[in-house]
Amino acid sequence: EPEVTQTPSHQVTQMGQEVILRCVPISNHLYFYWYRQILGQKVEFLVSFYNNEISEKSEIFDDQFSVERPDGSNFTLKIRSTKLEDSAMYFCASSQETGVGYEQYFGPGTRLTVT
Amino acid sequence: GNSVTQMEGPVTLSEEAFLTINCTYTATGYPSLFWYVQYPGEGLQLLLKATKADDKGSNKGFEATYRKETTSFHLEKGSVQVSDSAVYFCALSVSYSGAGSYQLTFGKGTKLSVIP
Repeated sequence: EPEVTQTPSHQVTQMGQEVILRCVPISNHLYFYWYRQILGQKVEFLVSFYNNEISEKSEIFDDQFSVERPDGSNFTLKIRSTKLEDSAMYFCASSQETGVGYEQYFGPGTRLTVT
Repeated sequence: GNSVTQMEGPVTLSEEAFLTINCTYTATGYPSLFWYVQYPGEGLQLLLKATKADDKGSNKGFEATYRKETTSFHLEKGSVQVSDSAVYFCALSVSYSGAGSYQLTFGKGTKLSVIP
């Protein structure tokens, strides 16, 4: 069964450093998402992406964040200058279409630790 | 705004016990409701969904009924198994005219452990 994959599974970085989290969505999916979960808190929506542009973003997704689909398979989340409060589990998701009839398929997550 | 509140965990049950995980929501607009499950080391998987009031979503023995009058979507299973041990997330999405990306709003998750 097709699945969303994410690399790395765990990333440790120092405050102020740039990180890139990588995701490979399911191959025929067109909509891509990033969510995050700070330890002990809710899973929060960050951004959605369609047709090579951001379609929606939350207030969390400020200028420090960017997303890109650099080729036909990868979908990346970049944090330019990490802060301690960026430590969280980051989930990538993809869906074939958008709408309640279409399931979002999630990857296993990347745990980001900022020290 | 939109929010989901689910019961705090962890929940520990013996095999074959009855499971209820409570979930309530607030939403602007008419939400669709979901339960996702995360098994250890894996991503979130859709367990079941309901898109309108009084709908019952069901899958793998789990059920949840969309109750608009109580703004609830409680997850139930009559007889849990060890293999049901996982984290369960209640979530909603709201359709807006003009179509957005149907972002999901999640609860905090409830960790279930089932012991033999």
